[in-house]
Amino acid sequence: QQQVKQSPQSLIVQKGGISIINCAYENTAFDYFPWYQQFPGKGPALLIAIRPDVSEKKEGRFTISFNKSAKQFSLHIMDSQPGDSATYFCAAHRGSTLGRLYFGRGTQLTVWP
Amino acid sequence: EAEVAQSPRYKITEKSQAVAFWCDPISGHATLYWYRQILGQGPELLVQFQDESVVDDSQLPKDRFSAERLKGVDSTLKIQPAELGDSAMYLCASSLQQGASYEQYFGPGTRLTVT
Repeated sequence: QQQVKQSPQSLIVQKGGISIINCAYENTAFDYFPWYQQFPGKGPALLIAIRPDVSEKKEGRFTISFNKSAKQFSLHIMDSQPGDSATYFCAAHRGSTLGRLYFGRGTQLTVWP
Repeated sequence: EAEVAQSPRYKITEKSQAVAFWCDPISGHATLYWYRQILGQGPELLVQFQDESVVDDSQLPKDRFSAERLKGVDSTLKIQPAELGDSAMYLCASSLQQGASYEQYFGPGTRLTVT
């Protein structure tokens, strides 16, 4: 059973546009929600993360919006650039210090120049 | 900038053969993870170490997979015998896991192709 559901599977955005990727979860024990960016042939790289006591976190062009009551969170990429073209994964952490991450299936983002 | 190192980067093996992957985590990171990533999907945890001890191997196919981290630093993941369905990217990650720090840092992965 997929612990974190991610959509859309693929996304095409024009340069300068806003990219939005959504994730949903059921387990209220999740306590940390990171987003990872992965380029072909590379390992995932931590992009930005949020905890459930915060509704929004912004780092540069990347923003996470978190809705605890709806058990949903999303990644917004403002002013999308061709260099942002990659696969993005949301994830959720469960447990104490030795807890584990559960990943979504990923969204392949393509930004057209 | 400190990175997680993995080798080899690519491995092609025939089914029924043995294969091994190596990972060196970021210095000082007590927690080490091995993930498997099938093409088009997110990483799935295979095994998690805290220092030299396994804390979660519930998703590790123990009939053919084994993992060790003998001195609590680098780690080896082995598959014997390899099957066609094992073709995937094998990712290693490490984490400081102190206090409320949950950040995991991934290596470049080993792309395994079983023929």
